Amino acid sequence: NAGVMQNPRHLVRRRGQEARLRCSPMKGHSHVYWYRQLPEEGLKFMVYLQKENIIDESGMPKERFSAEFPKEGPSILRIQQVVRGDSAAYFCASSPQSSGSYNEQFFGPGTRLTVL
Amino acid sequence: RKEVEQDPGPFNVPEGATVAFNCTYSNSASQSFFWYRQDCRKEPKLLMSVYSSGNEDGRFTAQLNRASQYISLLIRDSKLSDSATYLCVVVYSSASKIIFGSGTRLSIRP
Repeated sequence: NAGVMQNPRHLVRRRGQEARLRCSPMKGHSHVYWYRQLPEEGLKFMVYLQKENIIDESGMPKERFSAEFPKEGPSILRIQQVVRGDSAAYFCASSPQSSGSYNEQFFGPGTRLTVL
Repeated sequence: RKEVEQDPGPFNVPEGATVAFNCTYSNSASQSFFWYRQDCRKEPKLLMSVYSSGNEDGRFTAQLNRASQYISLLIRDSKLSDSATYLCVVVYSSASKIIFGSGTRLSIRP
């Protein structure tokens, strides 16, 4: 049973370009979370999605950032017109269907975005 | 004030020592608590849940103090392999609001 997969593992973009980060949850998991981690800092929650639904996007910047989790395929975190401050590690986590309580989140290896 | 606060450390202790660190949270509606471990440039992994009555897993003991709104992690007989950053996680009742602390760095020296 493969774990959470993220690609690419490393992504380099120039200012103004778009970055697309992909996350395939563990088999059987229908909940996906995206986090950002700046160097020497903790994880900051960005968005929580279920298939075709955004449940909580309170941690997402209002502009340039969007996320989706389509019925088929991986979850995508999209950053438009990247700036140097977007350089960070972006982690995706997945968990099984919630019964109303917290289920353990399993993290992917992360995508390290560098904006030149 | 941050919703979840941790002493960033680093804690530098000799192998075999006992080390403990706390994590405080500000929202009394917090429902569930966890400790995650993150190795350098790796993803976080669940270390243990924190139960109201306190719980132990080998050399690790986690405790919750709801009155003072903090959780703690105690590591006994520390090993070199315990060197990592330890993140506390607080989950609110909706289960969709999950807050990670900034982490406490622990370094075990031979």
